Amino acid sequence: AQTVTQSQPEMSVQEAETVTLSCTYDTSENNYYLFWYKQPPSRQMILVIRQEAYKQQNATENRFSVNFQKAAKSFSLKISDSQLGDTAMYFCAFGDGGSNYKLTFGKGTLLTVNP
Amino acid sequence: GAGVSQSPSNKVTEKGKDVELRCDPISGHTALYWYRQSLGQGLEFLIYFQGNSAPDKSGLPSDRFSAERTGGSVSTLTIQRTQQEDSAVYLCASSSRRAGDTEAFFGQGTRLTVV
Repeated sequence: AQTVTQSQPEMSVQEAETVTLSCTYDTSENNYYLFWYKQPPSRQMILVIRQEAYKQQNATENRFSVNFQKAAKSFSLKISDSQLGDTAMYFCAFGDGGSNYKLTFGKGTLLTVNP
Repeated sequence: GAGVSQSPSNKVTEKGKDVELRCDPISGHTALYWYRQSLGQGLEFLIYFQGNSAPDKSGLPSDRFSAERTGGSVSTLTIQRTQQEDSAVYLCASSSRRAGDTEAFFGQGTRLTVV
C-alpha cells in the first residue's frame, strides 16, 4: 500500500517570502501521479499542482512549483512571493496510475502567511 | 451542477441514531471517493467507486459504515448507530476517469456532529 508523509504539521512564512512544504511517499509502482491540494478555511479542496512521475521536468503553476525527486520519493512544494490568501492546509497526494487508481493523502501542513 | 454537491452541509445527530450523507458528483465522472477528515487532521480514505467495478471498501472503519452509488451517479454514505468518534467532516470527490491520474474535484463536505 502507498503511504504519503508530510513531516511538517505547521509552518509559517512572512508575506512576500518563499516557503517549501515537504512530502515523501512510498510506493513500488513506476507509473503514478502526485498532487498538492490546498484547503482554505472555507473547507473547499482545490488542486494546486500535479506531476506525472514519468516526467523529469518539475511542474510549475505561477508562484507554485515542485521539486520532484523520483529516486528519493520526494515531492516538495515551493510557494514564492507568499500571499495572505495562501494561508491554508496543504495536502500532498499520491495517485496510483495502475489498476487501483486510488488517491492517498498525507496528513497535511497548516501554512500561515503573516503580514 | 457545476461542481460536486454534498448535503446536508451540517448534521447534528444523537448518539445511536443512523445518518445518511449524500453526494452528487460532477455529471459524467466515473470515479467517486468518500473521505473523512477529523478536526485538524488529514484525509482518511473511506470508500472508492470506479464505474461499474466493485467498490474499494478497504477504508471503512467498521461495519456501521456503508455506501452505495446508484446508477453510477449519486452516492449515499450511511453511518448506523452513530458514535461520538464519528464526528468529523465527510468529504466526497469525483473524477472524470482513471482517478489516479486526473484531478479529483471535491465537495464542501458535510460536518457531522454526534452528541
